[in-house]
Amino acid sequence: EAGVTQSPTHLIKTRGQQATLRCSPISGHTSVYWYQQALGLGLQFLLWYDEGEERNRGNFPPRFSGRQFPNYSSELNVNALELEDSALYLCASSWGVDETQYFGPGTRLLVL
Amino acid sequence: SQQGEEDPQALSIQEGENATMNCSYKTSINNLQWYRQNSGRGLVHLILIRSNEREKHSGRLRVTLDTSKKSSSLLITASRAADTASYFCATESRGGYQKVTFGTGTKLQVIP
Repeated sequence: EAGVTQSPTHLIKTRGQQATLRCSPISGHTSVYWYQQALGLGLQFLLWYDEGEERNRGNFPPRFSGRQFPNYSSELNVNALELEDSALYLCASSWGVDETQYFGPGTRLLVL
Repeated sequence: SQQGEEDPQALSIQEGENATMNCSYKTSINNLQWYRQNSGRGLVHLILIRSNEREKHSGRLRVTLDTSKKSSSLLITASRAADTASYFCATESRGGYQKVTFGTGTKLQVIP
């Protein structure tokens, strides 16, 4: 069974540009979570999608947005990139009421 | 804000020794999970303990939960160099709409 996949693995952008990160959950999982992990820090919750709906978002500005598609894959969009957006962005998926989240390898975003 | 806070922030031990990490949290929880992250990659789920459980074992891992003190500990026995990683606790709060909140992590180094 394939795990959670994320693309791209690395992304280099310049300040002010927009970045799009993609995540494919484990087959059968309906929930997708996005986290930001800045260098050396813990995970900061960004967004939670379930059944195509945004269920909750963390304390991030509106320029962080996303969506979940009918096949449960998800996109994270970051507009007007700032230098401090440089981080590892992790996606996780879970199934229904299963509390365990399964993580992808992450997308490392560097903003120059 | 972070629900879980791990202690210590960093720990360095010799191979074969035991490693103990602690996690404290603030609100009532349904369950607490421990995850491992190797060198800036995705997280791997280790173990889940529910609020009505006090201790759980998985291989060389032992997790305890004290809901009266709102704390948990992760013990890794007979550590190996491959255990070198960051360890995060994650709590699922009762009520609320964000399912899981991650702590700040303990960075464990096992010296061969």
